[in-house]
Formats: sequence, structure tokens, C-alpha cells
Amino acid sequence: DQQVKQNSPSLSVQEGRISILNCDYTNSMFDYFLWYKKYPAEGPTFLISISSIKDKNEDGRFTVFLNKSAKHLSLHIVPSQPGDSAVYFCAAESNRDDKIIFGKGTRLHILP
Amino acid sequence: EAGVVQSPRYKIIEKKQPVAFWCNPISGHNTLYWYRQNLGQGPELLIRYENEEAVDDSQLPKDRFSAERLKGVDSTLKIQPAELGDSAVYLCASSYRRFPGELFFGEGSRLTVL
Repeated sequence: DQQVKQNSPSLSVQEGRISILNCDYTNSMFDYFLWYKKYPAEGPTFLISISSIKDKNEDGRFTVFLNKSAKHLSLHIVPSQPGDSAVYFCAAESNRDDKIIFGKGTRLHILP
Repeated sequence: EAGVVQSPRYKIIEKKQPVAFWCNPISGHNTLYWYRQNLGQGPELLIRYENEEAVDDSQLPKDRFSAERLKGVDSTLKIQPAELGDSAVYLCASSYRRFPGELFFGEGSRLTVL
């Protein structure tokens, strides 16, 4: 049973526009949510995170929104740049067992 | 600051052969993770160490997989014997704090079992 779901395997966005990547989760005990970015042949790198007590966290062009009632979070990238083309993984963690659960990822293509 | 170092980057073996992967975490990071990433999937935890203690190995297939972290620094993940389904990327990650776990990943070791 997938606890962290990224239902869109891929997404294409025009350069300069907003990219919105979505993530749903099933476990209401998650305390922390993270987004990782992965380029081919490299390991994932941490991008941005949000605590379950917040509903928004912003870092430059990246903003993560959390809707606890819907068990949904989204990553907004604006404006999208060519270097943003990568696979984005949503992850969630519980303080109770320290397990970090990853989604399957969404491949983002930024079109020129 | 040096990142997480893994070797080998690529390994091709015949089924039933053994294979080992090595990881050197970021200096000072007490927590070390081994993840397996299958094609088109997200990373899945195999084992987590706090210093030299394996605190979560519930997802490690213990009949063929083993891991160790000597002196709480470097770690080795071994598969013996390898099966076709073990073909995947094996990722090592380290963290300087237990929670929340912002992980620093290595580049991974891609295993192909023929």
C-alpha cells in the first residue's frame, strides 16, 4: 500500500511558466514532508521541506503548500527554468519511527 | 565539504554471484541509510544505521542481503547470491540529525544481474 503517491509520472511546462507537482499521502501521522530533485545518473538532492504544522514554505522560486485535511501537498516552481528538468520525489516522515517514505516521482520537462 | 561517496558506480554480474557496495558518508553524519531504487520507482529503505547500530532493517531481505557499518563511519552492503530481481540502483545516504531527516545521497551504485 503506497503511503505517498505521485499520480503524475510526467509533466511538461513551458519555460517561464509555473510548474505544479502534486503529492498525496494516506498516513495522517506524518510530521514532515520533503521534496527531492534528481538528475539522471545522480543521487536525489534535497530541495525544500515543510512541517505538518505549517501550510506553506517558500524558498526562492520554490514553494510547497500543505493541505492536511486533504492529505495533499504541492510543489510550485515559478518561473520554471531549463535546469528544473528532472525527476521530483515527494517524501514524508514520521517522528515516531523516523521512516522516510518516498513517492514514485514525477518527471518534469521544461520546454523552451 | 565532500559528499557521500559510493563505489562502484556500475556493476554487472551473473545471477548467483556475490556483490558488495561501499559507502563513505559525510563526515560527522551519524545516520546512514541504504536505499534501493527500482526503475520508475522511488527509493525504498533497506536499512538505517545510527552510528554503528542498525536501528531499522525491517525491509532488508536477510536471506541474501547483509550490511555492516564498522566504527560508525563507512558501510558495506552485500548481496549473496544475487538474483535477477536485484537489478536496481543502490543509494547510500547520510544525515546529521535524526529528525527531520534531510538526507544527503550519494550518486548510487547501479547493479545489473544477468
